[in-house]
Amino acid sequence: QVQLQESGPGLVKPSETLSLTCTVSGGSISSYYWSWIRQPPGKGLEWIGYIYYSGSTNYNPSLKSRVTISVDTSKNQFSLKLSSVTAADTAVYYCARQSCSSTSCPPGRPPKFDPWGQGTLVTVSS
Amino acid sequence: DIQMTQSPSSLSASVGDRVTISCRAGRTISGYVNWYQQKPGRAPELLLYAASTLQSGVPSRFSGSGSGTDFTLTISGLQPEDFATYYCQHSYKTPPLLSFGGGTKVEIK
Repeated sequence: QVQLQESGPGLVKPSETLSLTCTVSGGSISSYYWSWIRQPPGKGLEWIGYIYYSGSTNYNPSLKSRVTISVDTSKNQFSLKLSSVTAADTAVYYCARQSCSSTSCPPGRPPKFDPWGQGTLVTVSS
Repeated sequence: DIQMTQSPSSLSASVGDRVTISCRAGRTISGYVNWYQQKPGRAPELLLYAASTLQSGVPSRFSGSGSGTDFTLTISGLQPEDFATYYCQHSYKTPPLLSFGGGTKVEIK
């Protein structure tokens, strides 16, 4: 059974870069898409972006200028970097396996997220 | 963006009630939605995909329907463990974007 675990600093200063890693266990990172999703305290879910194991990426246009997602297949890990953070980036950050991309999914079937990591709270504060 | 609007944003219900949650797209979307359940302090979990297919292990009291712009999640016979927040999710091809609804919190009456 595939499990995901996020790791990284829980506190980041404004204007700095948030860096998180998701470690995949119980299965290979190959042949799947992998996403980052975040949830500000008390609010809803926002998709950040995804990466295919080959390295191709797709980002939410609202965050695209600040986001980089990378993959390390040798370590079965993928990572998120979000630059120039502000208090608005304070959130629980989740990693999740994504079934397919928006353009590769079967017609009419949107990508689904399963499983998810437990999430990690990142607070942006000086 | 095509906004996915969920309604109601919250509701109060009793154990055994039938509960219906709506997810509406701002314009006709070509496919279906997925539904997730999130309990406090936990990550969301996939309930249904492609509008009406139950994820493995999900109780049959959960069902989904819809097409076009309107999608519905129904819980038939609410159980104590069903009190949670529910999200719909869709994706778009142009531009490639995955989007969640705002969520519906189901509380105990």
